[in-house]
Amino acid sequence: GAVVSQHPSRVICKSGTSVKIECRSLDFQATTMFWYRQFPKQSLMLMATSNEGSKATYEQGVEKDKFLINHASLTLSTLTVTSAHPEDSSFYICSASDGGSETQYFGPGTRLLVL
Amino acid sequence: AQKVTQAQTEISVVEKEDVTLDCVYETRDTTYYLFWYKQPPSGELVFLIRRNSFDEQNEISGRYSWNFQKSTSSFNFTITASQVVDSAVYFCALNPRGGSNYKLTFGKGTLLTVNP
Repeated sequence: GAVVSQHPSRVICKSGTSVKIECRSLDFQATTMFWYRQFPKQSLMLMATSNEGSKATYEQGVEKDKFLINHASLTLSTLTVTSAHPEDSSFYICSASDGGSETQYFGPGTRLLVL
Repeated sequence: AQKVTQAQTEISVVEKEDVTLDCVYETRDTTYYLFWYKQPPSGELVFLIRRNSFDEQNEISGRYSWNFQKSTSSFNFTITASQVVDSAVYFCALNPRGGSNYKLTFGKGTLLTVNP
């Protein structure tokens, strides 16, 4: 149980294009999803907290207009990197919680490379 | 403010050795949860254990064991008879109030390399 998927696992795009990453909880309903960014050999940096049916809460320094988050259902949250630039290249990883336990379960991550 | 410190940046051991990964945390909350996650080279974070602040009983799961010491604010992780497949980055994390909707505070991680 507690499986979280992410799609795509890897994406390469041109500078200026937008990229959408999906995060799905496969066997539970996720009232809250989290989006993290991880640079090589570093820890996870929380970008935003996404609650179903409401606006996401962004961490300080994260541009909400650049990183659009939509949590339309209890099993799906999406992160859209708009007008991507090479500095947005990173590993993006989501997590989901069911509200019943105190555990976040993580997806496999998405490696984004912007050329 | 919450803080998690993993002082060991990298550890290298030979297979079958025991290894302990240290985690020290800071929080003013009386109710909190501590976690360990494993991140293999593939990138996915694998949940290993959750411990709440009211349960100081140590836990053993196969070759893994955890030592929670509230008096020293530590939650150390020991791998017995390490194997090459244990090679990964291990993160300790703190959920300051309990409840899965609260943010996790992560340590910087410890890269464990188990050599054959």
